[in-house]
Amino acid sequence: KAGVTQTPRYLIKTRGQQVTLSCSPISGHRSVSWYQQTPGQGLQFLFEYFSETQRNKGNFPGRFSGRQFSNSRSEMNVSTLELGDSALYLCASMPQGGSPGELFFGEGSRLTVL
Amino acid sequence: QKEVEQNSGPLSVPEGAIASLNCTYSDRGSQSFFWYRQYSGKSPELIMSIYSNGDKEDGRFTAQLNKASQYVSLLIRDSQPSDSATYLCAVTRGAGNMLTFGGGTRLMVKP
Repeated sequence: KAGVTQTPRYLIKTRGQQVTLSCSPISGHRSVSWYQQTPGQGLQFLFEYFSETQRNKGNFPGRFSGRQFSNSRSEMNVSTLELGDSALYLCASMPQGGSPGELFFGEGSRLTVL
Repeated sequence: QKEVEQNSGPLSVPEGAIASLNCTYSDRGSQSFFWYRQYSGKSPELIMSIYSNGDKEDGRFTAQLNKASQYVSLLIRDSQPSDSATYLCAVTRGAGNMLTFGGGTRLMVKP
């Protein structure tokens, strides 16, 4: 069974640009969460989607947004990139009927903002 | 004060010893508690979850929860070099997957 797939794995952008990251959850998983990981702040929750609806949102500015499609695939978008947005962005999915918090993480998309 | 606190380490233990990793949390409404392991350059993977006070054992791993003291710990028995990783403590208060993570403790198991 394929794991959580994130694309692209690495990308470099410049300040002011925008970026879209994609996540395909494990087949049958309908909940998708996004986390940002940086050396200074650690892992921080961005948002969670379930059945195309945002279920929770973390404490990030409105430049960070996301969506989920009917096939459970999810995208997150960051507009007007800042240097501080450089991070590893992790997507995680949870199986239907699974216990909340017991997540399967993808390998992440590493964003560098210059 | 961070919501979930962990000693960043590194915690160094000899092979075969017991590694003890600790975590405290500030939100008394926290309901569920997790330990994730993250190897360098890899993504986190769940190794233990615990929901009620007491101990929960799974192989060489034992998670301990004390809600009154707002304290979670992970014991790794017979530590192996392959256990060398960063261990992340995470908590959640609700039904969703909004986890609050600690900064992680780096464990080094020396052969």
